[in-house]
Amino acid sequence: GAGVSQSPSNKVTEKGKDVELRCDPISGHTALYWYRQSLGQGLEFLIYFQGNSAPDKSGLPSDRFSAERTGGSVSTLTIQRTQQEDSAVYLCASSLAQGGIETQYFGPGTRLLVL
Amino acid sequence: AQTVTQSQPEMSVQEAETVTLSCTYDTSESDYYLFWYKQPPSRQMILVIRQEAYKQQNATENRFSVNFQKAAKSFSLKISDSQLGDAAMYFCAYRRTSGGGADGLTFGKGTHLIIQP
Repeated sequence: GAGVSQSPSNKVTEKGKDVELRCDPISGHTALYWYRQSLGQGLEFLIYFQGNSAPDKSGLPSDRFSAERTGGSVSTLTIQRTQQEDSAVYLCASSLAQGGIETQYFGPGTRLLVL
Repeated sequence: AQTVTQSQPEMSVQEAETVTLSCTYDTSESDYYLFWYKQPPSRQMILVIRQEAYKQQNATENRFSVNFQKAAKSFSLKISDSQLGDAAMYFCAYRRTSGGGADGLTFGKGTHLIIQP
């Protein structure tokens, strides 16, 4: 595809339910990033994948959050037993390779609302 | 840990005029990268300009330029000849060169730029 795509665009769920957020990076991009954007915390880095591997998961807010990437392409961020404080926009980005100056291309995000 | 501070929650400028957005950062690293991203209402973050800390020359991209003051840990963005399409949230971001990308970008809180026609 032309850019990073994310689905769903918007998600409303009830407290306690599980949700899955999907990110489809730019074809050929080996690095993939998840960020969370909320009113209170601003933009937070959550996790990074190089290929299918996530070397550091310490940025995930709690053990209810998990992420995986398969085939070096699509990534899924899963939030179990959602809480109201999980309401935010979840942004995904990809880049051609790891490394500081590589431009990260962002998707349009998934807006999650937990009622 | 590194922090990025944008002290202007909102800025307003007349169309065709020049505006400068401020950003300061705190780090103990000597080599790093700095970025300005734009986020319009569509939510998609778009890279505006980037700067390697080891380069003394300020980066320029068409109407966008930066004033990078390494000693002061300051990285301001100047937008010349402001256009209506420049209206957006602007985020300053930092990334260290070490770590191999595992720590992502550290963002400031953002500045909401309003363009008055």
